[in-house]
Amino acid sequence: DQQVKQNSPSLSVQEGRISILNCDYTNSMFDYFLWYKKYPAEGPTFLISISSIKDKNEDGRFTVFLNKSAKHLSLHIVPSQPGDSAVYFCAASGWNNNDMRFGAGTRLTVKP
Amino acid sequence: NAGVTQTPKFRVLKTGQSMTLLCAQDMNHEYMYWYRQDPGMGLRLIHYSVGEGTTAKGEVPDGYNVSRLKKQNFLLGLESAAPSQTSVYFCASSGQRGYGYTFGSGTRLTVV
Repeated sequence: DQQVKQNSPSLSVQEGRISILNCDYTNSMFDYFLWYKKYPAEGPTFLISISSIKDKNEDGRFTVFLNKSAKHLSLHIVPSQPGDSAVYFCAASGWNNNDMRFGAGTRLTVKP
Repeated sequence: NAGVTQTPKFRVLKTGQSMTLLCAQDMNHEYMYWYRQDPGMGLRLIHYSVGEGTTAKGEVPDGYNVSRLKKQNFLLGLESAAPSQTSVYFCASSGQRGYGYTFGSGTRLTVV
């Protein structure tokens, strides 16, 4: 079963506007959430994370929001840049396991 | 600092052949993982290791075996390759449970 879901396979935004990528999870034992960015022919790279004790974490243009009651998190990129065009994976891990589960990814295209 | 290195980068196998994918990390990380990436499925965990000499099954372990004889190396073996194992394989490592992983650049495997 897919415990981490990204329901939008793709997203296209104009340069300078906000990009919002969404992620839902089903496992209430997850307590740490991450976003990874992946360019073609490269491995995913860690972007930003959030612990379940917080509802927001910010790092420059990137902000992650966590809504535990809805089991939902989102990644906001403001302002979006063409170099942000990549596949973004949402991931989650729990205190009771040693691995991390990933969503299917959302392909973001930022148009100049 | 090389990070996580995967070899080979590309490989074509015939059904029934065997092969070993090698993952090496130079960050002294305890945790190492093997994932496969398939279209629409995201990254799925095959096997992982929480330290030298340990291995554990992930979400999709069937058809694969692993070994972690040295802390810096994590090997993924396919004993009898099947077309369903055509995928991109990523190795990752982490210094702490659940924290951001460092990924290798991937191995593209085609089984014909």
